[in-house]
Amino acid sequence: SAVISQKPSRDICQRGTSLTIQCQVDSQVTMMFWYRQQPGQSLTLIATANQGSEATYESGFVIDKFPISRPNLTFSTLTVSNMSPEDSSIYLCSVVDLYDILNGEYEQYFGPGTRLTVT
Amino acid sequence: ELKVEQNPLFLSMQEGKNYTIYCNYSTTSDRLYWYRQDPGKSLESLFVLLSNGAVKQEGRLMASLDTKARLSTLHITAAVHDLSATYFCAVDIYGGATNKLIFGTGTLLAVQP
Repeated sequence: SAVISQKPSRDICQRGTSLTIQCQVDSQVTMMFWYRQQPGQSLTLIATANQGSEATYESGFVIDKFPISRPNLTFSTLTVSNMSPEDSSIYLCSVVDLYDILNGEYEQYFGPGTRLTVT
Repeated sequence: ELKVEQNPLFLSMQEGKNYTIYCNYSTTSDRLYWYRQDPGKSLESLFVLLSNGAVKQEGRLMASLDTKARLSTLHITAAVHDLSATYFCAVDIYGGATNKLIFGTGTLLAVQP
């Protein structure tokens, strides 16, 4: 299974600033995703990060607010821009294992998450 | 709009008892995940159900999938305190070039000694 790390693990930021979250995977993966989990809530998909092309955003999420980079098959970043207290959440990176996809069998793994508090 | 609903949202049960968590979804999918989340932690994959009628068991947990009814269940047998956590189901939606998971509302399970 893929091993995923995220940086930072947590941060406290001031309103109006931006934070970039990094996601590193120990193997090449085709699909990487960014999820948000607001306090006491379920997970909501923000976007699918595609290597070599623009990310695909879900309804309610826009590139200006959550720009994403995917420079290669093992790394992605999510930036939370112009933060407000409503952005306080856990942000999780997730991947689908490349090998399993080719055989029609795959599993989706989640990173440890970045706990963001905006004051 | 795709909906994935779990019930109950909160479950308090005594050790040794049995119970079932239900996951209903509103679109066609033949692939469903169950995850566990402990407080302040990320998600741990429990089961991947790949087809109609799939049943998987691990320890005191058993998951099943009925794609025709768009229903998955997570059955807990003889609960122990260590099972206390939040459980999420997630429906895998394949959109051609990619797939994505739509998560259920979550069920907070508290097992009382």
